[in-house]
Order: sequence, then structure tokens, then C-alpha cells
Amino acid sequence: GAGVSQSPRYKVTKRGQDVALRCDPISGHVSLYWYRQALGQGPEFLTYFNYEAQQDKSGLPNDRFSAERPEGSISTLTIQRTEQRDSAMYRCASSLRSGGTSYNEQFFGPGTRLTVL
Amino acid sequence: AQTVTQSQPEMSVQEAETVTLSCTYDTSESDYYLFWYKQPPSRQMILVIRQEAYKQQNATENRFSVNFQKAAKSFSLKISDSQLGDAAMYFCAYRSVGFGNEKLTFGTGTRLTIIP
Repeated sequence: GAGVSQSPRYKVTKRGQDVALRCDPISGHVSLYWYRQALGQGPEFLTYFNYEAQQDKSGLPNDRFSAERPEGSISTLTIQRTEQRDSAMYRCASSLRSGGTSYNEQFFGPGTRLTVL
Repeated sequence: AQTVTQSQPEMSVQEAETVTLSCTYDTSESDYYLFWYKQPPSRQMILVIRQEAYKQQNATENRFSVNFQKAAKSFSLKISDSQLGDAAMYFCAYRSVGFGNEKLTFGTGTRLTIIP
């Protein structure tokens, strides 16, 4: 089946504007993750969901960042009042189910490259 | 909190030769997963290899193998018979075992160049 998709692939916005980034996970995948990757760095965890429940949001940098997954499928990461330091690649990943002691691979989407001018 | 360190920002290797990428990590947990991901110029994230900490045997996937030293908290990736398509950023990553600990913690990456 189709992999994880994200839209838009590229987003250029002006400082102070709000942006919404969308993630469509692999069909049937229970868990969904958001990461942010600055240029020259590794991905950094932001938040994750099991079904519609946000299980961990410890990686969200401040209260301008929020995420939702209302129906347990598509997720939206929203950044309010964007700042230049928010410029990065935002990646989404999904896995079949929450792990427990078993391993479930996270499949990554292509990312949304956000540029804040 | 767990940390992952990749001390080699860049590496290069002659085509068909072998190269080893280094990774160290810090954790107080006894059971966890370790991964190597490849990020080619397309910027996709591709899982290369996985190691479960409870397994003593080093993982192998075709030309890719790891040297997992649990006591030393070291997890290196060996690429044999390097090919042009291996050129990419390589990220080492850590994941805890257990519900509620799903996040991956990545290192800063090593850029691998293949010399024809």
C-alpha cells in the first residue's frame, strides 16, 4: 500500500503567520509520530499519538506548537505565530501499533520543509 | 534522558572498500533498541539495520553489519563493499522498550562520501 504522506512538501511563510502541516499515516497504523530536523542535525522528537490520544508531547518546544489526530488517522501539526527559528524539515512517521515489548518499525514520510522568512 | 553521539561528521571511503561509522550512547536502561538510518540526497529516512540490546549476536543485513558493545555503550556500523548508492547521511538512533517510550533519539549524523 501507500506509504506515509505529508503535505505540503514545501511551505514558505512570513514570520508571524500560522501554518498547518498534515500527515497521512499508512492505513491501519495506530501510532503516529512527529519529528523536526534542523539543517545538519538529526531528527528531534516532538510528539506522538496512539489512535487519537496524544501520548507524549514532551518534545514540543513551546506553546506555539500543537498537534491533533481527532479521528485516529490523519494528524495536523500547527505552529502559531511562526518565527525564523521554526524553519526546519518536519517529519511524520507511523507504526503498526504501540510497542510494549515488541518491536514496531516507524515508517517515515517525505517531510515538509518549512521556511519562515 | 538518553543521548546518542556520533563523533564523525564526515567520512569517505573508496568504492568497494569497507568503512565503519561510530556511535556511542548513554542510557541507564538495560533493554532498548538501536538503529542505523540512512538519509540519501532525496532526504528520505530509510532503516538500515536494527539491534535489540538483549541479543548478544550482532545484527547483519547483507553488506551492513553492526558491532554492538553493550558494556561500552558503543554501536558501530560497518559497510562492506561500499557502493556509490551508499552515499548518504547516516544516523544512529536509540529507542526504549515499553509502552509510552516510543520516541526515537537520534545522533547528529555522519555524512558518508563514496569515492569512485
